[in-house]
Amino acid sequence: DAMVIQNPRYQVTQFGKPVTLSCSQTLNHNVMYWYQQKSSQAPKLLFHYYDKDFNNEADTPDNFQSRRPNTSFCFLDIRSPGLGDAAMYLCATSRPGLARKTDTQYFGPGTRLTVL
Amino acid sequence: AQSVTQPDIHITVSEGASLELRCNYSYGATPYLFWYVQSPGQGLQLLLKYFSGDTLVQGIKGFEAEFKRSQSSFNLRKPSVHWSDAAEYFCAVGAAAAGNKLTFGGGTRVLVKP
Repeated sequence: DAMVIQNPRYQVTQFGKPVTLSCSQTLNHNVMYWYQQKSSQAPKLLFHYYDKDFNNEADTPDNFQSRRPNTSFCFLDIRSPGLGDAAMYLCATSRPGLARKTDTQYFGPGTRLTVL
Repeated sequence: AQSVTQPDIHITVSEGASLELRCNYSYGATPYLFWYVQSPGQGLQLLLKYFSGDTLVQGIKGFEAEFKRSQSSFNLRKPSVHWSDAAEYFCAVGAAAAGNKLTFGGGTRVLVKP
């Protein structure tokens, strides 16, 4: 089945130690998104890629970076994790538009990040 | 700017009873509307989407939602809840004018009593 895969599912890091989360997709979608979701809150969009074009949300801290080396893979880098960065990180993919019935964002299972 | 409000943070329902989750949106034109479900520790799964035409939308797992333009609402319903429906439910709005990004409501957590 076509899908969105995130690795690892659980990640523990130390305060200030860089960490990288991985997302891959077999849907061949142009757009890939990274969301941060804290407990009992809605997902918050950090940034997205449309092909190789990077689009950062205005309120995303500089501590968060992303790379998309090819269509299938996208990485979230947290340069110096703080305690406040502990959260679930969700990757999603989509086609460029929303006009078709099947157009939506397809989510991976998420990576739960713990910062010690 | 688009926004979504889910007025109910928690809902408890007995197994077999009906369920209705409320969603109100704000957007200048007709948006695309979505309901997603999230089980604990999992990603979001699409239940259904309104994009045009029939205002009553059928989704997966026996869910349906009704788009009411006059009330700016997109409420989710299920006639008979199963214990496996216990989860968090998110309403979302998207629009081409917003770059096709989704704006999520705060979510409603559904608890199912035996």
